[in-house]
Amino acid sequence: KNQVEQSPQSLIILEGKNCTLQCNYTVSPFSNLRWYKQDTGRGPVSLTIMTFSENTKSNGRYTATLDADTKQSSLHITASQLSDSASYICVVRRNTGKLIFGQGTTLQVKP
Amino acid sequence: DAGVIQSPRHEVTEMGQEVTLRCKPISGHNSLFWYRQTMMRGLELLIYFNNNVPIDDSGMPEDRFSAKMPNASFSTLKIQPSEPRDSAVYFCASSFTAAGSYEQYFGPGTRLTVT
Repeated sequence: KNQVEQSPQSLIILEGKNCTLQCNYTVSPFSNLRWYKQDTGRGPVSLTIMTFSENTKSNGRYTATLDADTKQSSLHITASQLSDSASYICVVRRNTGKLIFGQGTTLQVKP
Repeated sequence: DAGVIQSPRHEVTEMGQEVTLRCKPISGHNSLFWYRQTMMRGLELLIYFNNNVPIDDSGMPEDRFSAKMPNASFSTLKIQPSEPRDSAVYFCASSFTAAGSYEQYFGPGTRLTVT
């Protein structure tokens, strides 16, 4: 079954600290993997898109990694800010074009 | 660029009523997607169009749901009759689908409450 599992479900960290969110998938065949950030009350916004041949991609303080062999991805946030408080959604695209969504990780950054 | 525009932003209706959600994609984009998001199920793709043609509607939950895209700048998602379990946030997204380009841009969503 094609699935995308994210962990942890929720996370609370102090401002300035780093954190890492995990995404494991069983989707096959695989086209690309995306990380989205969704602020409360808004639509998701893309952070990174990686194909199976890419191992890492950065977008400012956000760095995504991908291991296509183990089917794992992570999103690392450096020097967290209050504005990083949001849900982070991992999405895997099959070669057919269908998107498989994870349930998301809710991050809360406290001062 | 105004981004993807959705209306209304909030809709409260009674069970059995017809609900129509509207979406204006980003100008020049050739693909449009309708999603539903709930706490229990997360984001789910309902249907997507490419060049105004429905490509995959396998996510549409039942016949009460229908979607149209009469032209490249407008789409509707209709629920008739609505039920309380349809309460969710409905997102529209658009993209320019070409070789190597799959970035989707989401609208702000319509929060639907069916009482």
